[in-house]
Amino acid sequence: SAVISQKPSRDICQRGTSLTIQCQVDSQVTMMFWYRQQPGQSLTLIATANQGSEATYESGFVIDKFPISRPNLTFSTLTVSNMSPEDSSIYLCSVVGAFSYEQYFGPGTRLTVT
Amino acid sequence: GQQLNQSPQSMFIQEGEDVSMNCTSSSIFNTWLWYKQDPGEGPVLLIALYKAGELTSNGRLTAQFGITRKDSFLNISASIPSDVGIYFCAGQLGEYGNKLVFGAGTILRVKS
Repeated sequence: SAVISQKPSRDICQRGTSLTIQCQVDSQVTMMFWYRQQPGQSLTLIATANQGSEATYESGFVIDKFPISRPNLTFSTLTVSNMSPEDSSIYLCSVVGAFSYEQYFGPGTRLTVT
Repeated sequence: GQQLNQSPQSMFIQEGEDVSMNCTSSSIFNTWLWYKQDPGEGPVLLIALYKAGELTSNGRLTAQFGITRKDSFLNISASIPSDVGIYFCAGQLGEYGNKLVFGAGTILRVKS
């Protein structure tokens, strides 16, 4: 399986500011996804990060709030914009290799908005 | 959208006991995945199931892909303290790299 790192691992941010989370993989992967895990909850898919094109967002998530970039096959960023306390969550990236059904997760970024 | 019903919500068992949890759905999935999440960590893939009826083991873990393709179960034999954590099932539709739908999770607590 791929080795996935996320930066930052955690942060405490002020309301109204934005935070960009980075996801780096040690090998080229076909698919990259971003998930949100609210406190005590399961994982909810935010979007699929598409290389070289706009991300594909799930219902309830919009690009203005969660802009995503994926400039190459090993790196992606998720920005949480104009944050409010309701954005306090764990944000996780995941990857899938070519011709694989197995999806692997990064360690997550723990965001607290005050 | 698709939803997975995972049960039980939580379990508190004696060390050495066997554990069973399951997921059901109204939708048919092509792949079932089971993950474990420790506190402060991302989910770790335990077992992946690809065919209806498939039974797969990984050490003390055994998982099965239901014949109807709408359910899956995970068994843990002879539980130990490090089995503590949250276990998630996830179903996948379609072809390679498609998105996952997650169950709500089963919190496992082991009494030593």
